[in-house]
Amino acid sequence: KQEVTQIPAALSVPEGENLVLNCSFTDSAIYNLQWFRQDPGKGLTSLLLIQSSQREQTSGRLNASLDKSSGRSTLYIAASQPGDSATYLCAVNSGYSTLTFGKGTMLLVSP
Amino acid sequence: EPEVTQTPSHQVTQMGQEVILRCVPISNHLYFYWYRQILGQKVEFLVSFYNNEISEKSEIFDDQFSVERPDGSNFTLKIRSTKLEDSAMYFCASVLAGPYEQYFGPGTRLTVT
Repeated sequence: KQEVTQIPAALSVPEGENLVLNCSFTDSAIYNLQWFRQDPGKGLTSLLLIQSSQREQTSGRLNASLDKSSGRSTLYIAASQPGDSATYLCAVNSGYSTLTFGKGTMLLVSP
Repeated sequence: EPEVTQTPSHQVTQMGQEVILRCVPISNHLYFYWYRQILGQKVEFLVSFYNNEISEKSEIFDDQFSVERPDGSNFTLKIRSTKLEDSAMYFCASVLAGPYEQYFGPGTRLTVT
């Protein structure tokens, strides 16, 4: 059974810092990995999707990498801003369609 | 930009009552999902639906739950007899095809009293 772990559980940084969020998964037989953002009490906003054949994806200040063989992904956020404050979720697609989620990293960026 | 919508945003019901949560997936998508998130816990998969039938379901999705696509646009989750532990945020998601990006709705917060 696929298990997804995210470290750290919470992170507090001053504005402008570059930061890395980590995601690990136990079964490397995945189709893709998706990073989401969740604001308190709200839905999930998709940030990046990495297919299993890819090593990284970039969108603006976000860069996600995937090392399938070691069961790891990282989300790099450059020049963090207070508006980046949210919970970031990693989800793995290992059954062709269903996603298995980590518990998330709660990020607080202070001005 | 197309988006997944869900109604209602918040539903309060008494234990033992039936509830129906509604979703309108993105129009050309083929796969539909329900997930739930109990407060403070992980988002958990409930059920996937493709070609008018359930394609996969988790152990959470027992006989109290059912899904339906009553017409060409709506996708519903019914809980027949709600329990306190069904209190959670329920998310609908859709995807064009299996290994592509899943798009989530804003969720329905279900509170069972």
